[in-house]
Amino acid sequence: AQSVTQLGSHVSVSEGALVLLRCNYSSSVPPYLFWYVQYPNQGLQLLLKYTTGATLVKGINGFEAEFKKSETSFHLTKPSAHMSDAAEYFCAVSPYNQGGKLIFGQGTELSVKP
Amino acid sequence: DTGVSQDPRHKITKRGQNVTFRCDPISEHNRLYWYRQTLGQGPEFLTYFQNEAQLEKSRLLSDRFSAERPKGSFSTLEIQRTEQGDSAMYLCASSSGLVPEQFFGPGTRLTVL
Repeated sequence: AQSVTQLGSHVSVSEGALVLLRCNYSSSVPPYLFWYVQYPNQGLQLLLKYTTGATLVKGINGFEAEFKKSETSFHLTKPSAHMSDAAEYFCAVSPYNQGGKLIFGQGTELSVKP
Repeated sequence: DTGVSQDPRHKITKRGQNVTFRCDPISEHNRLYWYRQTLGQGPEFLTYFQNEAQLEKSRLLSDRFSAERPKGSFSTLEIQRTEQGDSAMYLCASSSGLVPEQFFGPGTRLTVL
């Protein structure tokens, strides 16, 4: 069965510092890959996605992620953290030919210190 | 705004009662998904519809759970004889099927006392 692992349930950075949230997936066939953000008591908002083509994908709010097939990774980065980035971040995969359902990691809570 | 909507946003019920949640997807989306999210965890897939057909149900969806999408538009998720373990956020999402990304509603938070 497919699985998604997010390393670190809590990450804390200072405002202006680099944000790096790690995601690894298990799949023999590269799936579609997503990062979602969730603010308290809200639904999930799509940050970015990888389907095919360029392995470095850019999303909203200055986030980007790089698909590395050899490492089965899809880490999320942002060069400079802002206070408003504090939220829960979820990595998800959509396995090939399974109706588009998403399998999520357990999430990483990002805290941003002033 | 024509995003995904869910009703109610919050539901408190007593153990043993039945509850029903509604999801209205983005109008042109033919796929609709239900997920459950417990505190501190990522969402877990429950079931999905393509138009009115329910194409997959997770093993998480016990006999007490039933979902419908009668006309291929809105969907309902019913939980019968609720248990305290059913307390969670129930999320609905929709997609066009042509593009794999899903758009999520705000969720319904269920508390079973």
